[in-house]
Amino acid sequence: RKEVEQDPGPFNVPEGATVAFNCTYSNSASQSFFWYRQDCRKEPKLLMSVYSSGNEDGRFTAQLNRASQYISLLIRDSKLSDSATYLCVVNPSSGTYKYIFGTGTRLKVLA
Amino acid sequence: GAGVSQSPSNKVTEKGKDVELRCDPISGHTALYWYRQSLGQGLEFLIYFQGNSAPDKSGLPSDRFSAERTGGSVSTLTIQRTQQEDSAVYLCASSLFGDTEAFFGQGTRLTVV
Repeated sequence: RKEVEQDPGPFNVPEGATVAFNCTYSNSASQSFFWYRQDCRKEPKLLMSVYSSGNEDGRFTAQLNRASQYISLLIRDSKLSDSATYLCVVNPSSGTYKYIFGTGTRLKVLA
Repeated sequence: GAGVSQSPSNKVTEKGKDVELRCDPISGHTALYWYRQSLGQGLEFLIYFQGNSAPDKSGLPSDRFSAERTGGSVSTLTIQRTQQEDSAVYLCASSLFGDTEAFFGQGTRLTVV
């Protein structure tokens, strides 16, 4: 089993739609979780950290479910500019702090 | 210009040559990471530096790959005797501490011909 797994998509949604991605992780001791966004041929950029209590930033909501070992990202009122690949990132925190990246979920928002 | 800086942005090299890739992290960041991303693939962890601790080299794919971080700041990733399968984008990131969010440089696109 991969350490971090994501549905690669693509998710094709119309503008204004709500879309959700899940990401599962295998190490139950993992402590830090993030969502990154990567545009084509660009470096990944931090979208938001994921806190135990869940957090919201404008149209984006991230949640953590430790019991089932997954994190989620919800995007409301999708914009064309949201089209990108969304990377789930987990820090296993098992003596080292290397970040493990999922392979990403590709989102395309259609006009 | 307070972001992570990588150089060169592009590098074309002949198979068998050695290459050096440089990363300047954000000032004050104690953690530095190297990742590799092949076309259409996810990010592959290579190596992680944290302060003065021994680096986590568990992701280096072979002994042709090495990295150092001088003075807790600038890092150099060296690939010896490059092979075509080394062609990828090499991304460097830094974070304030080991478990805080990481910020990426724009990457070095390495092409081995």
